[in-house]
Amino acid sequence: SAVISQKPSRDICQRGTSLTIQCQVDSQVTMMFWYRQQPGQSLTLIATANQGSEATYESGFVIDKFPISRPNLTFSTLTVSNMSPEDSSIYLCSVLDGGVSNEQFFGPGTRLTVL
Amino acid sequence: AQKITQTQPGMFVQEKEAVTLDCTYDTSDQSYGLFWYKQPSSGEMIFLIYQGSYDEQNATEGRYSLNFQKARKSANLVISASQLGDSAMYFCAMREGLPSGGSYIPTFGRGTSLIVHP
Repeated sequence: SAVISQKPSRDICQRGTSLTIQCQVDSQVTMMFWYRQQPGQSLTLIATANQGSEATYESGFVIDKFPISRPNLTFSTLTVSNMSPEDSSIYLCSVLDGGVSNEQFFGPGTRLTVL
Repeated sequence: AQKITQTQPGMFVQEKEAVTLDCTYDTSDQSYGLFWYKQPSSGEMIFLIYQGSYDEQNATEGRYSLNFQKARKSANLVISASQLGDSAMYFCAMREGLPSGGSYIPTFGRGTSLIVHP
């Protein structure tokens, strides 16, 4: 099973600033995802992070607001740009284990509060 | 249209009793996977159980079992002998297609909040 760490675990930011969240996996994985979970809501997929190429964004999410990098098979970053209070959420990194279990693993999440 | 529907926003159960959390799904794919996750107040997402669309047996993992009824497109989670630590949000999720390619994008339901009473 994949072990995922995220940094930071939580942050409080001022509106208009940007925050970069890091996701590190202890093994090489093919698929990595970034999710947002707004307070009391379900998970919403932001994008699929593609290694060596631009991320694939879901409807309602754009690269200028949520730039994503994935330089290799174990690491990705999500930046939340020009933040507003509506960006206050938990941001979760997730990877797909394409092996026998087909299990999807999640990082511990980053709790972001924008003032 | 919603791909994953969890109709119970909240459920209560007495400790040591069994509880069923409902999940229905909508897909036209033949290959798909169904998952249940637990999210305690700490926020982490904990994988509980997986059912593949071609699996003939219902999946079981300890006190968790998945009541898979393919014709009805339902994948209910059954928790036996509830414990106080089971109190959490529970999310049903589905991935359509195959991991090796295609639009293999996971979809989550809105979740069910389970409270276990002593």
